[in-house]
Amino acid sequence: EAEVAQSPRYKITEKSQAVAFWCDPISGHATLYWYRQILGQGPELLVQFQDESVVDDSQLPKDRFSAERLKGVDSTLKIQPAELGDSAMYLCASRATGTSEAFFGQGTRLTVV
Amino acid sequence: AQSVTQPDIHITVSEGASLELRCNYSYGATPYLFWYVQSPGQGLQLLLKYFSGDTLVQGIKGFEAEFKRSQSSFNLRKPSVHWSDAAEYFCAVGAGGTSYGKLTFGQGTILTVHP
Repeated sequence: EAEVAQSPRYKITEKSQAVAFWCDPISGHATLYWYRQILGQGPELLVQFQDESVVDDSQLPKDRFSAERLKGVDSTLKIQPAELGDSAMYLCASRATGTSEAFFGQGTRLTVV
Repeated sequence: AQSVTQPDIHITVSEGASLELRCNYSYGATPYLFWYVQSPGQGLQLLLKYFSGDTLVQGIKGFEAEFKRSQSSFNLRKPSVHWSDAAEYFCAVGAGGTSYGKLTFGQGTILTVHP
């Protein structure tokens, strides 16, 4: 069964260090999303890609966060420098064009110490 | 701006009992409504969705939800809960078209099932 792959599953990093997360969407899914889920809250959208283009990054803290999807397939979300408040689950989701369901990966749990 | 409220942070039910999880939304146009389930440390799995038509929608794992426009609600129900249903449940609202996956989530309801 096709699924959204994310790595690493868990990441511990020190404050002020750089950290990156990787997402491989379901094959053929043109739309990709990165969500952040703080413990005890629902996910919040950070960025949406359509193929290699950013469609919406209005909620992405651009001073420290960046996201790319260079070839319109897999994507990387980077944080530099990491802050304590960035500790959260980072979820990637993908959706096929013309469909309504976004499929979520298992997420990367980030702990900033 | 759209928003979702899940009034119950934590619900405990006995196995075999019925379940209703509440969800209220605020959205300026016709809402597209979703319920997702999340097991500990896992991603989100779609249970069901409502776009239009019949206001009672059936989902996977025996869940159903009813859309009530007059109450701005989309409550999730299950007639008989199983221990494996213990998880966190999220209600979400979004737009259609290219915005299908751009969702606003509620804060979630944690379901505990007692044997």
